[in-house]
Amino acid sequence: DVKVTQSSRYLVKRTGEKVFLECVQDMDHENMFWYRQDPGLGLRLIYFSYDVKMKEKGDIPEGYSVSREKKERFSLILESASTNQTSMYLCASRPGGLATYNEQFFGPGTRLTVL
Amino acid sequence: AQKVTQAQTEISVVEKEDVTLDCVYETRDTTYYLFWYKQPPSGELVFLIRRNSFDEQNEISGRYSWNFQKSTSSFNFTITASQVVDSAVYFCALSESNNNDMRFGAGTRLTVKP
Repeated sequence: DVKVTQSSRYLVKRTGEKVFLECVQDMDHENMFWYRQDPGLGLRLIYFSYDVKMKEKGDIPEGYSVSREKKERFSLILESASTNQTSMYLCASRPGGLATYNEQFFGPGTRLTVL
Repeated sequence: AQKVTQAQTEISVVEKEDVTLDCVYETRDTTYYLFWYKQPPSGELVFLIRRNSFDEQNEISGRYSWNFQKSTSSFNFTITASQVVDSAVYFCALSESNNNDMRFGAGTRLTVKP
């Protein structure tokens, strides 16, 4: 069964802290994605990766960085968390390289609160 | 640029009613793919259907049906005889053939009351 897991369902951090959100997929997918979900805005792409050590900026990369050292793992890093980064973060993976007709598989999400 | 609009923010129906969720998209690409996802209260998005731009045939799967019309750039989703378990946020999404980015609409929150 296809599986995308995220390290935490809920996370509370303080302003200025460095935050790591981890995502692991067991499907050998080339592509992995990080989104944030906010009411009324849907899902917005932060970063994606199409291969190990490769990354591309999405619509809202400011304040975030990513790391993909292994194919199955894609980490989202908040270098210095701010209150406006309080959100639901969703990780997804997709097979097939540039086959954009394939659906994405999503993890359960991490609800991050920055105080 | 690709764009997806779900104008209905929230819909509330009573069980057994039919309900249609609207989705309008914009793209300059001639080859593209449209998706619907369901996000139940647990949070994980679940894939429901994919349609490519060359296939305008409507699709029915049990109580779910999808109406794809290129002439109006719409890909609407109908639930027949809704059930409480259909309560969720539903997202429409667009993917272009030469763009790794999938664009999501803002989502429609459907509440089905018993």
